[in-house]
Formats: sequence, structure tokens, C-alpha cells
Amino acid sequence: HVQLQESGPGLVKSSQTLSLTCTVSGDSIRSGGYYWSWIRQHPGKGLEWIGYIYYSGYTYYNPSLKSRVTISVDTSKNQLSLKLSSVTAADTAVYYCARDEYSSSFHWFDPWGQGTLVTVSS
Amino acid sequence: SYELAQPPSVSVSPGQTASITCSGDKLGDKYACWYQQKPGQSPVLVIYQDKKRPSGIPERFSGSNSGNTATLTISGAQAMDEADYYCQTWDGSTVVFGGGTKLTVL
Repeated sequence: HVQLQESGPGLVKSSQTLSLTCTVSGDSIRSGGYYWSWIRQHPGKGLEWIGYIYYSGYTYYNPSLKSRVTISVDTSKNQLSLKLSSVTAADTAVYYCARDEYSSSFHWFDPWGQGTLVTVSS
Repeated sequence: SYELAQPPSVSVSPGQTASITCSGDKLGDKYACWYQQKPGQSPVLVIYQDKKRPSGIPERFSGSNSGNTATLTISGAQAMDEADYYCQTWDGSTVVFGGGTKLTVL
């Protein structure tokens, strides 16, 4: 069965760029059957979708974050990556990657990685 | 921007039926799905495309969506169902999550 694992620094300084990687096992990103998304959850709060990528490199971002987000894919490593620039304390959150299924103009996420907490410090 | 509203909390007695609502403008014209999140864990999909249940999700979980409201129903709630539940839709330009509902089984 498919598993996703996020990795990256747990602490990022304010104004710098947050960089995370998600390694996928049990499924090939290159198979093309799914999109792959990043989602975050502020401490004790709800969920916020960041954006998705297709194996071809096609991306689509949450308009509210679009100016600071870059999602990329490395099909040879079966990984996707997230870069979020100019971070502030408001970007402190648990960051999840998830397999993104799309049908009939609708996206849903299954499964999710375990998540990784990123804290932005001043 | 499109918004989804959920009640902050719902309580249910063990064995009874719990209903969690998710409200949004003409939500019934879109699809909705639901996630369960237990403390310290990642969200788990329990309902997608309004009423479909992923493999491995117990039959006591069901969903509906009509008008302005999507509803997650848990029939015969169990202590293990105590968790936060989030609804989600796609508004045509972005993914939208509800604020979450804490389900207490007591």
C-alpha cells in the first residue's frame, strides 16, 4: 500500500525559505494516476491546502499562497518537494503531503503522510 | 472566497447516531468529502464524493450532500470514533476545508 513520508528542517528562520521533501513508496508518481498535494495545519487549527503537482510537472497553487510557493517533482526518486519563501511566524505549521485523487472536477486526499512540524523562528 | 462552516463540537452517546454538518453556499452542487483526525495523527479519508466510503472504513460511516449542507453520519458511534472531523470541497479554483468538528463520544 502507498505510504508518504515528509522530511526537512524542523526550524526555519523568519524571511528564509522553507524546504520539505515527500518520499512516496508503494506507488509510482510517474504512473500518472494521481496528483500529489501539500497541505498544512497550523497548531491547534484547521487544514489549509497549499497546492498540487502532476508527474509531468504541472502545478496548481492555492491563490492565497501562490506568490511564495513552488512545488516540484523528481520522478527518478519518487519524491515531491515544497518550497515556501519569505516565511513568517504565520507559516509555523505541520506540513503534510498527500496523494490527491481527482474525478469529476473534485479533489480528495488519501492517504496522507505523517506530517512534519516546521517552526519559524525570529 | 468560498467558506465551509462546521459546528465546533458534537457529542453523542455510545451506540447512538452522530450527525456532523458542513454548510456552504450551494454545497450540494459540488462534491464533499470528510476526514477523521485523531490526536497526534494525520487525517484519514472516511467519505469522498459525498457518500462513497474508502476501503477499510466501517459501514457505520455514511455521507450525504444536498442544498447547502453536507452531512457525515456515524451510526452506532463507538469510543474509537472520538476525533476531529473535517469536511472539504473544491470551489472551482481551490480546495476548501471546513473548520473542523470535535466529536465526543460519552
